Amino acid sequence: AQSVSQHNHHVILSEAASLELGCNYSYGGTVNLFWYVQYPGQHLQLLLKYFSGDPLVKGIKGFEAEFIKSKFSFNLRKPSVQWSDTAEYFCAVKRPGANNLFFGTGTRLTVIP
Amino acid sequence: EPEVTQTPSHQVTQMGQEVILRCVPISNHLYFYWYRQILGQKVEFLVSFYNNEISEKSEIFDDQFSVERPDGSNFTLKIRSTKLEDSAMYFCASRQETQYFGPGTRLLVL
Repeated sequence: AQSVSQHNHHVILSEAASLELGCNYSYGGTVNLFWYVQYPGQHLQLLLKYFSGDPLVKGIKGFEAEFIKSKFSFNLRKPSVQWSDTAEYFCAVKRPGANNLFFGTGTRLTVIP
Repeated sequence: EPEVTQTPSHQVTQMGQEVILRCVPISNHLYFYWYRQILGQKVEFLVSFYNNEISEKSEIFDDQFSVERPDGSNFTLKIRSTKLEDSAMYFCASRQETQYFGPGTRLLVL
């Protein structure tokens, strides 16, 4: 089945640790890729997006993601997390010709001060 | 920065009742969406709306659901006869290029 997979359900890190959250998708063709973040009690906010061009995308708050077409992956990274990064992170894919987003199940990140 | 807004933030209703969830998309956006997130599950697409009509809908969006843009600013989702399994967080989104999400309405059906 076509899907978006986030294999890490809950990640717990200490402040200053490096972060990498996995995202894999199974759609063929050209896709648009997104990472959204949902801070506790808040709405989904766009962290970064990839449409085309440089596969290494830089987003807000020091986050970046790398699109690796051969691996159907779009992993999210941050070299040094902060307590304020505690949130739920969602990977999403827009398939070619589709109007809507398909979301992964989300990864809950807890950063311990 | 313009935002998508949603009202109410929380709604509790009895099974079988009708509910209307309201959204005000970002003003120059042309595409509007509803998604839902059942507790502990992924965000799921319900419906997209463009040019005053539904452009795409998922299998979740059955006859008990309807959407409307009653005026130039609001975008509503109506659930005609709520079921227990409709309990979820409902997110509205709008876009030009990228989708921006509202804060959600938490619906609890008792």
